[in-house]
Amino acid sequence: EAQVTQNPRYLITVTGKKLTVTCSQNMNHEYMSWYRQDPGLGLRQIYYSMNVEVTDKGDVPEGYKVSRKEKRNFPLILESPSPNQTSLYFCASSHPRGQISNNEQFFGPGTRLTVL
Amino acid sequence: GQQLNQSPQSMFIQEGEDVSMNCTSSSIFNTWLWYKQDPGEGPVLLIALYKAGELTSNGRLTAQFGITRKDSFLNISASIPSDVGIYFCAGHSKGANSKLTFGKGITLSVRP
Repeated sequence: EAQVTQNPRYLITVTGKKLTVTCSQNMNHEYMSWYRQDPGLGLRQIYYSMNVEVTDKGDVPEGYKVSRKEKRNFPLILESPSPNQTSLYFCASSHPRGQISNNEQFFGPGTRLTVL
Repeated sequence: GQQLNQSPQSMFIQEGEDVSMNCTSSSIFNTWLWYKQDPGEGPVLLIALYKAGELTSNGRLTAQFGITRKDSFLNISASIPSDVGIYFCAGHSKGANSKLTFGKGITLSVRP
């Protein structure tokens, strides 16, 4: 089944304790992205990757890191989490349509992160 | 930056009713997408639109790409309880690798 998977689905942690949220897709998509979803703010892009070893900042990259060593995986790293990073996180991937690389994005099930 | 406007924030309808949702922008968009998010899940793509004036259906859902390229609408006909969720519009404004802009979503409630 074509899908985007994220782990963990739920995580409660404390301020400053490094964590990684994994994201994997089995559709051979080139484009992958991370979003956070907060009440009243909608989906905001954190980082994206056009292909292996190519990553770039989205709208809200502060406090996050990503890597894209393989096409299928795009982990999100919080080196020193803070309470304002408590949020619902989504990973997404897409295949190019014509010249547009990030069109019909497929989303993972989400990771609910709480930072105490 | 680019913005997509969806209002109202919430809609309440009776089962069996039709409902229409709008998404507008002050800028021209080249692609319009409609997503639905069920509680506790990630957004799922419902319909994608690529040409101005395009009208596309997916079961009871119909969406149109506005002629001005600054708006799109989504129609749900004969609503059922499982239509409950958040409906997002999204679009590409210009350029091959411009980011996908999302509206803030409309929460739809369906009364049985």
